[in-house]
Amino acid sequence: GDSVTQMEGPVTLSEEAFLTINCTYTATGYPSLFWYVQYPGEGLQLLLKATKADDKGSNKGFEATYRKETTSFHLEKGSVQVSDSAVYFCALTPGANSKLTFGKGITLSVRP
Amino acid sequence: GAGVSQSPSNKVTEKGKDVELRCDPISGHTALYWYRQSLGQGLEFLIYFQGNSAPDKSGLPSDRFSAERTGGSVSTLTIQRTQQEDSAVYLCASSRLSGGVSVEQFFGPGTRLTVL
Repeated sequence: GDSVTQMEGPVTLSEEAFLTINCTYTATGYPSLFWYVQYPGEGLQLLLKATKADDKGSNKGFEATYRKETTSFHLEKGSVQVSDSAVYFCALTPGANSKLTFGKGITLSVRP
Repeated sequence: GAGVSQSPSNKVTEKGKDVELRCDPISGHTALYWYRQSLGQGLEFLIYFQGNSAPDKSGLPSDRFSAERTGGSVSTLTIQRTQQEDSAVYLCASSRLSGGVSVEQFFGPGTRLTVL
């Protein structure tokens, strides 16, 4: 079945550091890929998405590129802020109107 | 506009009791999903509704779990004879019907269930 693998956490960075969170997936066909974020005390919310190979999703300074050849969707940000401290989940759906399959999530802490 | 709402926000129950969790999706969203978030298992899919029917129930962990949706809106997840391993945060999400491209699922704040 479909699966998503995220790098192990937690991750602690200093403010303005560069961030990379690795995500790889296993799926048949051409899934859509997502990054969801859960800020402390808040619900899950969509950060960005990409629906086909070579698409780049971007939002709030975060970017991720759908790489079909490496089955990856790594999340990057050039300069993190304290307010980026949260749990980040990589996820996929096999198609429209389908369930999300999530990675285990990774906790990011950014210190001033 | 209003987001996805869930009630109760917290539920503490004794082992063996039945519980009902409620989800109010965003108005007009025909797709509704239940997920479970626990420390050991991460985020797991439970069931998917399209309108009032459930074409995908593959994530329900046992026959103690059931869900229904009425009027294409509110959904109730029922857990019978609760066990300690049912303790988790139960999340509901809704989305509009997509004609082909995967669309965003909007999540509610969750119900934290603790089984003593």
